[in-house]
Amino acid sequence: AQSVSQHNHHVILSEAASLELGCNYSYGGTVNLFWYVQYPGQHLQLLLKYFSGDPLVKGIKGFEAEFIKSKFSFNLRKPSVQWSDTAEYFCAVTPTDSWGKLQFGAGTQVVVTP
Amino acid sequence: DAGVTQSPTHLIKTRGQQVTLRCSPKSGHDTVSWYQQALGQGPQFIFQYYEEEERQRGNFPDRFSGHQFPNYSSELNVNALLLGDSALYLCASSRRTGTEQFFGPGTRLTVL
Repeated sequence: AQSVSQHNHHVILSEAASLELGCNYSYGGTVNLFWYVQYPGQHLQLLLKYFSGDPLVKGIKGFEAEFIKSKFSFNLRKPSVQWSDTAEYFCAVTPTDSWGKLQFGAGTQVVVTP
Repeated sequence: DAGVTQSPTHLIKTRGQQVTLRCSPKSGHDTVSWYQQALGQGPQFIFQYYEEEERQRGNFPDRFSGHQFPNYSSELNVNALLLGDSALYLCASSRRTGTEQFFGPGTRLTVL
């Protein structure tokens, strides 16, 4: 069965610290990969996506993610976080043969302290 | 440009009742997907509609049904509500040939 696993449920860090959130998926075929963010009181927004090509993808607000096919991973990174990055982050996967059927991880709550 | 809109914002029902949630997609989008997000969990795919037909379905019972109208808006219906149906219900829209789903703010359903 398909699954998406996010390594941490809750992360607390200080401003200017680096952030890395882990995501692993289990699926037998090819997939498209996404990171979504939900800021407090707002709806889910797309941070970045990977479909093919360069496995290092850059998204909005200084975020990037690296797809490592051999490890079935798609980890999210930001070199220096700000207080405004406090949010819940979701990794999501959709098989290329059933576009639109997003499978989400459980999410990681990130709290950035001033 | 209005994004995805959903109504109502909040809803309280009792067990056994039926509920209808509504979604209007982002302008230019023809595909609507519905997700259920229980507290502390990621969204779970319920089903997807385009061309007024259900095209894909997740692991949800038949109590969950939907509809898409000619203007691409959509409804999610849940019959015989259970306590476990309490959740945030999210609607997402996209172009059929697009690469991104845009999410609405959700409808918070509480079943007592």
